Amino acid sequence: QKEVEQDPGPLSVPEGAIVSLNCTYSNSAFQYFMWYRQYSRKGPELLMYTYSSGNKEDGRFTAQVDKSSKYISLFIRDSQPSDSATYLCAMSRLLSARQLTFGSGTQLTVLP
Amino acid sequence: SQTIHQWPATLVQPVGSPLSLECTVEGTSNPNLYWYRQAAGRGLQLLFYSVGIGQISSEVPQNLSASRPQDRQFILSSKKLLLSDSGFYLCAWSVEGLAGIYEQYFGPGTRLTVT
Repeated sequence: QKEVEQDPGPLSVPEGAIVSLNCTYSNSAFQYFMWYRQYSRKGPELLMYTYSSGNKEDGRFTAQVDKSSKYISLFIRDSQPSDSATYLCAMSRLLSARQLTFGSGTQLTVLP
Repeated sequence: SQTIHQWPATLVQPVGSPLSLECTVEGTSNPNLYWYRQAAGRGLQLLFYSVGIGQISSEVPQNLSASRPQDRQFILSSKKLLLSDSGFYLCAWSVEGLAGIYEQYFGPGTRLTVT
C-alpha cells in the first residue's frame, strides 16, 4: 500500500465549476501538507501548505485537512481553463520535514 | 528573490553514455537540495537530497550519483545510462519556514530520453 494515494483522474470539468481534488494517507506521522500545480512539461509550483486540521483559503483555492480521517482536499472555485494542470499533494513528517512524500497527481482539464 | 536553474532542458543520450545534469540556486544560503525523477503520469520519486556541501543522501539504489561541490550547486551524474533512466528530472530547494515546514521549490526540469 502506498503511503499517499491520489486519484489520477483524468478529471474534466466545465469552466466555472467547483473542483475537488483529494488525497488519502496511511501514516499518522504526516504533519505538514502541501499542494503543487504542475503544467505540462514544467516543474511543479507550490500552491498552498498547511500544518493543521481545518481549512486554509487563498483566493479561489481552499486546502482542507482532516487528520482524524487521514484525508486532505484541495477545492478550486470558479475554475478557469488556466487551472488545467496536474495537481500533486505532498506531505512530510514532523521529524523529517525536509523530505516530502508525493501523491501520483490528478490531471485536471477545465473546458471553456 | 530566489531562483533555481536547471540545464539542459532536454537531452537525448544513447544507452551506456555518461550523464551530467546541473542545478543552481540563487538568492538563498545553505539550502537543502533535492533531485527527483518523474516518470510519465507518475508522481515524484526522490533520488537524492543534500543538507550541505558534500553531504548527500541517496534514497534509491541505482546507477545514478549526486554531488554538491558548492553551497548552491547540485549535480546529478551517471557513468553509464540505462534505458530505464529516461524520465523528467527535477531539482528542488528548501529552507526551514514557518512552523518548521520545508516548502520545496522546483526548477524547470530536464527531460532525458535514453535511446
